[in-house]
Amino acid sequence: DAKTTQPTSMDCAEGRAANLPCNHSTISGNEYVYWYRQIHSQGPQYIIHGLKNNETNEMASLIITEDRKSSTLILPHATLRDTAVYYCIVRASMRGGSEKLVFGKGTKLTVNP
Amino acid sequence: DTAVSQTPKYLVTQMGNDKSIKCEQNLGHDTMYWYKQDSKKFLKIMFSYNNKELIINETVPNRFSPKSPDKAHLNLHINSLELGDSAVYFCASSRPRGREQYFGPGTRLTVT
Repeated sequence: DAKTTQPTSMDCAEGRAANLPCNHSTISGNEYVYWYRQIHSQGPQYIIHGLKNNETNEMASLIITEDRKSSTLILPHATLRDTAVYYCIVRASMRGGSEKLVFGKGTKLTVNP
Repeated sequence: DTAVSQTPKYLVTQMGNDKSIKCEQNLGHDTMYWYKQDSKKFLKIMFSYNNKELIINETVPNRFSPKSPDKAHLNLHINSLELGDSAVYFCASSRPRGREQYFGPGTRLTVT
């Protein structure tokens, strides 16, 4: 699996956009970029994933550079409840439909009032 | 309507005991997983089952034995508990070829 690099921590003001970067310079052609987050003491929560096109859902947007070596997760209007550790994961599919997610240290995002 | 549930939420036990953690999902998913999050907050996959068949076994000590009685359940049985087994254990599930994993609330295991 390609390795990912994320900043250890970031701060964001409530109501502003939070832009979380991730570097994955060794990503290969069949590997997807996933984002999960873990709010304190809870189970990880899926946010979004993409292969090469930008993606948007009700939670966030994912911008993937054309060379796919980096991506940015955008929370358009951060709220206090978005304070969490955000994980960027690169992964290809495994046999039998099982996805083996390898979690790194992630980025601790703190949304301030 | 909890999608992935785990019992118990907290488990405190002594070294050498045998304990089980139960996981159930009501999402109709075929694939279920167990992850371990240690004190340093690293999340690592332990096992994956697809349609009751073991798919992933990440060199976990054989004191850990997952059991899947049906597609909706994946239980984790741990024999001869050790201090290093103290962690939060998360269950998760996903659809076949689905890219989203849905995680349970976790079970905090403390071995004294």
